[in-house]
Amino acid sequence: AQTVTQSQPEMSVQEAETVTLSCTYDTSESDYYLFWYKQPPSRQMILVIRQEAYKQQNATENRFSVNFQKAAKSFSLKISDSQLGDAAMYFCAYRSGRSEFDMRFGAGTRLTVKP
Amino acid sequence: DSGVTQTPKHLITATGQRVTLRCSPRSGDLSVYWYQQSLDQGLQFLIHYYNGEERAKGNILERFSAQQFPDLHSELNLSSLELGDSALYFCASSVAGQGAIFSSYNEQFFGPGTRLTVL
Repeated sequence: AQTVTQSQPEMSVQEAETVTLSCTYDTSESDYYLFWYKQPPSRQMILVIRQEAYKQQNATENRFSVNFQKAAKSFSLKISDSQLGDAAMYFCAYRSGRSEFDMRFGAGTRLTVKP
Repeated sequence: DSGVTQTPKHLITATGQRVTLRCSPRSGDLSVYWYQQSLDQGLQFLIHYYNGEERAKGNILERFSAQQFPDLHSELNLSSLELGDSALYFCASSVAGQGAIFSSYNEQFFGPGTRLTVL
């Protein structure tokens, strides 16, 4: 079974600095998708960035980028120029390419941004 | 705003009771998913419906059931509630389900959640 591990329960960053959140996953599949979701205090789940496993190029969305290491099964999220509004829980998620309902989430990393 | 709506926003009830959570997917989305998020934990997949039919079950208790109606809204029924059922319940929707119309990533759009407190 696929599992997603986020080894950092909490992280903090100074405003305007860069922070990297770690995520590893375990799978025997070759076709899958990886996601980072942000959950602010409002509890809304917001998709931050996605990565298709077949793509070698790392995904980027403005200040958010990922470092996808397929062989190492690692999928880290880098937040550049951190802003106060980035403070939230961040969840890494895995979805099998064979089953669009089967989304597995990590336990989350709580990010604090210090002014 | 994802376009997915959930009601009620908050629900407080007692052990042994039964509640119904409602979800309206985005316009045009045929799939609805239910997730449970206990305190400071990740989301656990409960169940998936596609165009009115149950497609997959995850870690859903027998005391819980769901359905998707012809207008595509969905309801999650929780019965014989226990203290441990207190959680945030999310609904998500996506355009497609499994099969030929499966898209490359078929993003799931999440609703704002229903916070259930069982006293």
